[in-house]
Amino acid sequence: DAGVIQSPRHEVTEMGQEVTLRCKPISGHDYLFWYRQTMMRGLELLIYFNNNVPIDDSGMPEDRFSAKMPNASFSTLKIQPSEPRDSAVYFCASRTTGTSLYEQFFGPGTRLTVL
Amino acid sequence: AQSVAQPEDQVNVAEGNPLTVKCTYSVSGNPYLFWYVQYPNRGLQFLLKYITGDNLVKGSYGFEAEFNKSQTSFHLKKPSALVSDSALYFCAVRDVRNTPLVFGKGTRLSVIA
Repeated sequence: DAGVIQSPRHEVTEMGQEVTLRCKPISGHDYLFWYRQTMMRGLELLIYFNNNVPIDDSGMPEDRFSAKMPNASFSTLKIQPSEPRDSAVYFCASRTTGTSLYEQFFGPGTRLTVL
Repeated sequence: AQSVAQPEDQVNVAEGNPLTVKCTYSVSGNPYLFWYVQYPNRGLQFLLKYITGDNLVKGSYGFEAEFNKSQTSFHLKKPSALVSDSALYFCAVRDVRNTPLVFGKGTRLSVIA
């Protein structure tokens, strides 16, 4: 399996622009998580899905952030409009409840820089 | 609510010496506990987990961790550190329900040759 795939790996944009981050979870995984990592706050859970349905979005910082999971193999995290304080590394992770595996598998992350 | 504390931001150890990275947790009910490692510019990589059974669990790259229920701790250990072990280490916890992992703030391990 290719693991969790994220694109782009790096994104540099200007304040006010729309940013879309993409994630393909591991095939067969029914949970998908979006995290944000910064030096100040560490790893924060933004939102997670189960069977494509958003379960908890209480970690989404503002209405400027939105996430979708239109099918089991694709999710997006969108920031509109972006601000410099959104600069961070965004990780996607997935997990399955179908086996004895309990851990979450992380993608390589998208490093977002908002100028 | 679940939480994890990693009391040390930085741990320095000489190559060949044993290392310990500390973690304490808070969760209602029985915990599922995890350690992840992050190398520069990389995602988080799973090291080991405690779900049930033996309190001492062994994981990748010679790492092990000991679950101590009375002290609510899950310290990461390795008998002999390597320079290549230098990285950022995260402890994480969740309860037996299908909740997301909650991570500590991370401990930066530096192994000096």
